[in-house]
Amino acid sequence: EDQVTQSPEALRLQEGESSSLNCSYTVSGLRGLFWYRQDPGKGPEFLFTLYSAGEEKEKERLKATLTKKESFLHITAPKPEDSATYLCAVQVYNFNKFYFGSGTKLNVKP
Amino acid sequence: DAGVTQSPTHLIKTRGQQVTLRCSPKSGHDTVSWYQQALGQGPQFIFQYYEEEERQRGNFPDRFSGHQFPNYSSELNVNALLLGDSALYLCASSQENQPQHFGDGTRLSIL
Repeated sequence: EDQVTQSPEALRLQEGESSSLNCSYTVSGLRGLFWYRQDPGKGPEFLFTLYSAGEEKEKERLKATLTKKESFLHITAPKPEDSATYLCAVQVYNFNKFYFGSGTKLNVKP
Repeated sequence: DAGVTQSPTHLIKTRGQQVTLRCSPKSGHDTVSWYQQALGQGPQFIFQYYEEEERQRGNFPDRFSGHQFPNYSSELNVNALLLGDSALYLCASSQENQPQHFGDGTRLSIL
């Protein structure tokens, strides 16, 4: 069964304290892995797409990496405005379904 | 350039009623997907529409149905509402093989 698991469920960091969020997946054939940011009361905002193991993408303080079983979202020197829920999703080959994890709720304190 | 727009933003219904939610995709996008997001959970895929046809469906009962119009806009219909249908309903649009972009959703509350 196709499955996406994110950990931790919640993460509290001090401003400037770097950390990583994990997204592990079990799918029959990965077409792409997506990271989104979701603020309260808003829809998910697209961050990155990763297609193959070893691929990396960066945007400001965020860096996403992909292996054959999991993806990491590294947050370097976070700021309070990085506080949000981070969601990962996978798309399976030959299907147009997207499976989302439950998200990691990040709180960065000043 | 307008992104994905959804209406209404909030809706309150009672059990057994029917509801229609609307979505206008981002300009240039031809594919629309619908998701249900319960509080504290990730979005759950309901179905996807392309060229006015339902192309893929998640594990949702037939009470959930949809439609896509020639201008690519879409509707989600839910019949015989249950308390468990209370959630944020998200619409996402995309072009083929491109990332999905989401609207801010419709918050549906069932009393």
